[in-house]
Amino acid sequence: GAGVSQSPRYKVAKRGQDVALRCDPISGHVSLFWYQQALGQGPEFLTYFQNEAQLDKSGLPSDRFFAERPEGSVSTLKIQRTQQEDSAVYLCASSLRDFRIYEQYFGPGTRLTVT
Amino acid sequence: GNSVTQMEGPVTLSEEAFLTINCTYTATGYPSLFWYVQYPGEGLQLLLKATKADDKGSNKGFEATYRKETTSFHLEKGSVQVSDSAVYFCALSADQAGTALIFGKGTTLSVSS
Repeated sequence: GAGVSQSPRYKVAKRGQDVALRCDPISGHVSLFWYQQALGQGPEFLTYFQNEAQLDKSGLPSDRFFAERPEGSVSTLKIQRTQQEDSAVYLCASSLRDFRIYEQYFGPGTRLTVT
Repeated sequence: GNSVTQMEGPVTLSEEAFLTINCTYTATGYPSLFWYVQYPGEGLQLLLKATKADDKGSNKGFEATYRKETTSFHLEKGSVQVSDSAVYFCALSADQAGTALIFGKGTTLSVSS
């Protein structure tokens, strides 16, 4: 079956531009996560949805970052007025249920470069 | 707070050598523990997991045992292959915050023939 997909795979933005990153989770997965992975580091949690409800956004680094999942399926991560420090790979993951024993399936990521 | 510490890399081995990548964790309650692998040019994929103390996760010849007494989840493989060259991430999922994964920094493994 289809895995988690993300688009675009690569995005170059000029400093100050707004960007929108899309995630299509595995069908039927309740939980959806966004992570940020800086070069040479492990992924770091940004935000989490259970269906359409955003239950935790404690990892979002600033109020320039905004995420939504309006129908409990596709999710969009938006970054306003991009800065160079936003350059990273943004990973989306989905999980069947909201419990720690369930595996998270990762998408290929969107590599954002801010120039 | 919850955290994961894994050994620094890179780890360079010859084919058929024994592999150990150390991972220790700090967490409240009873987390689940995972090893994820990222092959060159590919996304993160689950290698193995353990959800309670003394569980052993295994896959593709890799093993790791959930040791609560030493708060460890070391990854081992008896005989590595060139195709095992990748970045390995240890991670935990706690009973809080929507079960978001907390990752270590990753260990790069390079296997030569």
